[in-house]
Amino acid sequence: GNSVTQMEGPVTLSEEAFLTINCTYTATGYPSLFWYVQYPGEGLQLLLKATKADDKGSNKGFEATYRKETTSFHLEKGSVQVSDSAVYFCALRYRGSTLGRLYFGRGTQLTVWP
Amino acid sequence: NAGVTQTPKFQVLKTGQSMTLQCAQDMNHNSMYWYRQDPGMGLRLIYYSASEGTTDKGEVPNGYNVSRLNKREFSLRLESAAPSQTSVYFCASSNSYEQYFGPGTRLTVT
Repeated sequence: GNSVTQMEGPVTLSEEAFLTINCTYTATGYPSLFWYVQYPGEGLQLLLKATKADDKGSNKGFEATYRKETTSFHLEKGSVQVSDSAVYFCALRYRGSTLGRLYFGRGTQLTVWP
Repeated sequence: NAGVTQTPKFQVLKTGQSMTLQCAQDMNHNSMYWYRQDPGMGLRLIYYSASEGTTDKGEVPNGYNVSRLNKREFSLRLESAAPSQTSVYFCASSNSYEQYFGPGTRLTVT
């Protein structure tokens, strides 16, 4: 079946530190992969995505590379800010799904201190 | 362009009461979804709808019913609320490429 495993949080960093949040997946075929971000009190927003192997998604200084050989899509940022404090969700969409259904990881809480 | 809207934002129910959570989208999307979010559990799919007039169960449908009233609206009903249904509920809609989420409804069942 389809599933996503994320590193457990919470993650606490100082401002300007390097961030990595690990994400691995199990899927039939070649899924599309996503990172969503949820700021306090809000719904989820798409942060970045990659639709095929070796694609790199990037947005707001965050990056993630679709690694088929390791079935991974780790999120990275070189220098985090206090405003990056949020919950981050890795997700996949099975390529054969016309419905567009997403499978989510459990989320990783990130707190950045000044 | 409001995107996905949900009402109410907060609700407190007593065990056994019923209520309907409303969701509407103005992006002309065919697919719509209801999720619940619980601490440490991520988002779990309750029901989804591929198009107007069709609905299907997700991972955790027990205790819920849905109605796809038209292309814009997808409601979630709790017929007899239980404390285990205390959660944050998110509605989403989707085109072929991306899901868009509403702001959520925080429900407490006492």
